[in-house]
Amino acid sequence: TQLLEQSPQFLSIQEGENLTVYCNSSSVFSSLQWYRQEPGEGPVLLVTVVTGGEVKKLKRLTFQFGDARKDSSLHITAAQPGDTGLYLCARSGGSNYKLTFGKGTLLTVNP
Amino acid sequence: DAGVIQSPRHEVTEMGQEVTLRCKPISGHDYLFWYRQTMMRGLELLIYFNNNVPIDDSGMPEDRFSAKMPNASFSTLKIQPSEPRDSAVYFCASTMLAPSGTQYFGPGTRLLVL
Repeated sequence: TQLLEQSPQFLSIQEGENLTVYCNSSSVFSSLQWYRQEPGEGPVLLVTVVTGGEVKKLKRLTFQFGDARKDSSLHITAAQPGDTGLYLCARSGGSNYKLTFGKGTLLTVNP
Repeated sequence: DAGVIQSPRHEVTEMGQEVTLRCKPISGHDYLFWYRQTMMRGLELLIYFNNNVPIDDSGMPEDRFSAKMPNASFSTLKIQPSEPRDSAVYFCASTMLAPSGTQYFGPGTRLLVL
């Protein structure tokens, strides 16, 4: 089983702080997706990274795919209460569309 | 456009009862997925369909679970008989054949088996 380890499991910070969460695997994956899940809702895709070393930015969110394509990070600058949620990474099984999810990082941004 | 629709949103039942969860995927999407989410195990893929045909059911926990997709706009996940350990949030997701493989999730059904 190719597991995805996410850390930290829980993170509680004050509005305006910066933070980084991580997604790691012992095996190489072809692509990685980051989702955010708000309470009572389903996950929503934020970004897909495909190329080793790739960096993508989505407003205050910066996503990086490791050079070896075994790890990824999500950095949030100046966090806001609206960033509160469960951040999930998921590796793609390629063309068969199966996704394997990590257990997520539960982020709370306090006003 | 309507997203993935799931019903019911909440279900409370007693052990031994049959539970049926329903999903309407986004129109035009070829793939439909059923997931289960718990604190302990996270989000797990149970089964997925392509063009109404089950492709991979290796995540279905046991024979008490069954899923059907009689047409492109409707799928069900049935648990019979239900057990307390089935308590979880069940998500349906759909996607269309595209390089991004973005999956669109429904709001989930929160199931509690007493």
